[in-house]
Amino acid sequence: DQQVKQNSPSLSVQEGRISILNCDYTNSMFDYFLWYKKYPAEGPTFLISISSIKDKNEDGRFTVFLNKSAKHLSLHIVPSQPGDSAVYFCAASAGWIKAAGNKLTFGGGTRVLVKP
Amino acid sequence: NAGVTQTPKFQVLKTGQSMTLQCAQDMNHNSMYWYRQDPGMGLRLIYYSASEGTTDKGEVPNGYNVSRLNKREFSLRLESAAPSQTSVYFCASSGTSGRDVDEQFFGPGTRLTVL
Repeated sequence: DQQVKQNSPSLSVQEGRISILNCDYTNSMFDYFLWYKKYPAEGPTFLISISSIKDKNEDGRFTVFLNKSAKHLSLHIVPSQPGDSAVYFCAASAGWIKAAGNKLTFGGGTRVLVKP
Repeated sequence: NAGVTQTPKFQVLKTGQSMTLQCAQDMNHNSMYWYRQDPGMGLRLIYYSASEGTTDKGEVPNGYNVSRLNKREFSLRLESAAPSQTSVYFCASSGTSGRDVDEQFFGPGTRLTVL
């Protein structure tokens, strides 16, 4: 049973427009959420994160929104650029204790294609 | 800094063969992780090591063993490979960034095929 779901496997958007990626989770214990970006034949790289005490976090062209009551988060990329074409993974952390390391649960990913 | 390095990049095994995937990080991180990535499944945690000298099972540990050799190195061993272990394997590490949860830094991956 997947605790973190990305229901859209792919997304195509025109350059300059907004990309919206969605992620749903079922575990109420999740208290921190991260987005990773992955290019082919490379490892994922960290993009942006949000704590459950916030509902929005912004970093340049990337903004993550969290709706705790709906157990839903989204990543907005504005404006989208061809270099943003990649697979994006949503990840969540629960019961985090620094001494135990922070385990992440990942969604299945959304492939984004930005057309020039 | 090389970050997280993994060897080998590619490997083909026959069913029943054994092998060890190597991982090393030069960021002085305490925690290290092994994931596998399968199509549509995202990344699933196999084993992790919160600190040198400790290891714990993740979501999908069956068929694997790990060794935290020292603070830098964390290896993953397949004792008797099965076709179901065909996957891309990623090693990651995390330290103390000052944030609530430390982001993990990933290696480039090992693409393993078991025939």
